[in-house]
Formats: sequence, C-alpha cells, structure tokens
Amino acid sequence: DAKTTQPTSMDCAEGRAANLPCNHSTISGNEYVYWYRQIHSQGPQYIIHGLKNNETNEMASLIITEDRKSSTLILPHATLRDTAVYYCIVRVNTDKLIFGTGTRLQVFP
Amino acid sequence: ETGVTQTPRHLVMGMTNKKSLKCEQHLGHNAMYWYKQSAKKPLELMFVYNFKEQTENNSVPSRFSPECPNSSHLFLHLHTLQPEDSALYLCASSQDRWADNEQFFGPGTRLTVL
Repeated sequence: DAKTTQPTSMDCAEGRAANLPCNHSTISGNEYVYWYRQIHSQGPQYIIHGLKNNETNEMASLIITEDRKSSTLILPHATLRDTAVYYCIVRVNTDKLIFGTGTRLQVFP
Repeated sequence: ETGVTQTPRHLVMGMTNKKSLKCEQHLGHNAMYWYKQSAKKPLELMFVYNFKEQTENNSVPSRFSPECPNSSHLFLHLHTLQPEDSALYLCASSQDRWADNEQFFGPGTRLTVL
C-alpha cells in the first residue's frame, strides 16, 4: 500500500500557483519523497524529489516540513498542460515506486 | 521525449494468442521495470531488472514472462492472457536500482484481451 495520502482532486486557475499537499506521517529517515505526474493515457513523468531540504527545479518546487511528515508540490504558474494526476510517493526500499491514487489537478482558463 | 520507447502502442489479442511487448531505453540506464495500470487502479510494479538480472517479481502470473537480453532492451512475453489482463503496460528505466534515482517512463502499450 502507498504510504501517502493526497486529496482526490484540486482545481487551479491558469497562471496561478498550484499547491498540491501530501501527507506521509510514517516516513522513515532514509526515505525520499518523489513527485510524478501522469497526463491522460501517457506514462508518468518525473517532477522532483527530496529528502529533507526544499528543492526547486525548472518544473516545480518541493517544500518538505521540518518533521518530514508532509510536503507540498508547488507549480508556480500553472498552465492548461499541467492538467494531470499528480502522485506523491515515498520510496520504501531501493527500487519500488508504490503509486497511490494521486491528486487529479484540473487547470482551468 | 523521455528516451524510453515502447512498441506496439496498442495491441488487441485473443486469449490463445502469443505476443510480446518491447521496451527500449536510450539513456544508458542499468535498471528497467515493467508496470501494469488497470482502469481506475494505481500503477502496479510487475518486474525489475538491474544489470540484466531480475531482482523483483511482484507475484506476477506465469502467463507474463519478462526477458532482458541487455541493459537497453526489455520484453514482456504474453501467452494465454485473460480479459482482466487488459491494461496499460508501462516500461521504465533508471540509472540503477538505488533510491536516489528517478525513473523515466515510456508511453505505454494499451493492451486489450478479447
């Protein structure tokens, strides 16, 4: 079973920041938080990952709380092409990505 | 453009057919994966290969048979499938199997079993 909980769906206006929360209260000290997204009928796409510190790349920012029990993925300026299912995943061992049901983000004009 | 290609993109087969799915990665990675995504279900890991050796078989029925001839290619051989095996089959690769490596996914093969 996935070790994360996410809201089922969220809406965001185009051009605004999309903030997607994730709870992972049982995360272990050596487990990373990964975010992927899946646009309809395509393969998942890696977005970002982190261990303790906040991370930023060209796609998004990842904010991890100090106790590491939750995190937030931030898409700073959402576009219509960001409409997708977003998965927050905690790595449980060296090679398993266990996907949950994710958050369906709908970006509207 | 992910660097991971899958063929065919769509496949329709009968329960008595034998077919194969192919995955190729152009990223120089050493680990490759097969996932299954059924309708309205999360992705399920099926198999993991690391340096051509199978390191994970997630209780997959024997009618699914993986093959990894080299680090760049991964096959999934299918025989006597059931209609409930209809799903999107996704291939992924990563540098190796360690935790701090992201996986790159292919576009998937949409399989329909009649």
